[in-house]
Amino acid sequence: SQQGEEDPQALSIQEGENATMNCSYKTSINNLQWYRQNSGRGLVHLILIRSNEREKHSGRLRVTLDTSKKSSSLLITASRAADTASYFCATVPIYNQGGKLIFGQGTELSVKP
Amino acid sequence: DTGVSQDPRHKITKRGQNVTFRCDPISEHNRLYWYRQTLGQGPEFLTYFQNEAQLEKSRLLSDRFSAERPKGSFSTLEIQRTEQGDSAMYLCASSRGAGLGEQYFGPGTRLTVT
Repeated sequence: SQQGEEDPQALSIQEGENATMNCSYKTSINNLQWYRQNSGRGLVHLILIRSNEREKHSGRLRVTLDTSKKSSSLLITASRAADTASYFCATVPIYNQGGKLIFGQGTELSVKP
Repeated sequence: DTGVSQDPRHKITKRGQNVTFRCDPISEHNRLYWYRQTLGQGPEFLTYFQNEAQLEKSRLLSDRFSAERPKGSFSTLEIQRTEQGDSAMYLCASSRGAGLGEQYFGPGTRLTVT
């Protein structure tokens, strides 16, 4: 029942490098959100991009959205060891009035000091 | 905001037993969501409430599962006659307004069915 596919499934980089994660989804959306999850814990909201937006920034995060390709990317610049976590994209489908989130399978990011 | 809290954080139970989890959302949030997450997967939607009304249930929510949100405050999720396949992390989240914005997640309850 998950809508999203994320790529890559796992990513290992050195501190200071940039990390890019991609997400594809299947149905039309109201918005797309990115969440971070540290090992075995709850999710933390990072950024939300609406269907009429193409790019959004928040600190070291940059999110793009291409609704024609039904895809999004999350870029983390100048990564830190503390960025090690799983990252999930989640969509709010346009048909859905309740705001339930449809999650992808996630990208596991490891940032080595 | 004190954040979303869940209790217990961990639960080990034997197959066939009933379990109940509790979620306390952020106080002014009218919407409350339950998700289930298995290892290596993203969370999957189970059900959600607007105030005390349960407005949607996933097909994942078999008749062994029931959720309530009396008085529109805390919520409980009960699983009857647990099966090994119920082992997962159960996440609760809350949000305000129309529910199209960000959701605030609790730490989750990890259920292990032996």
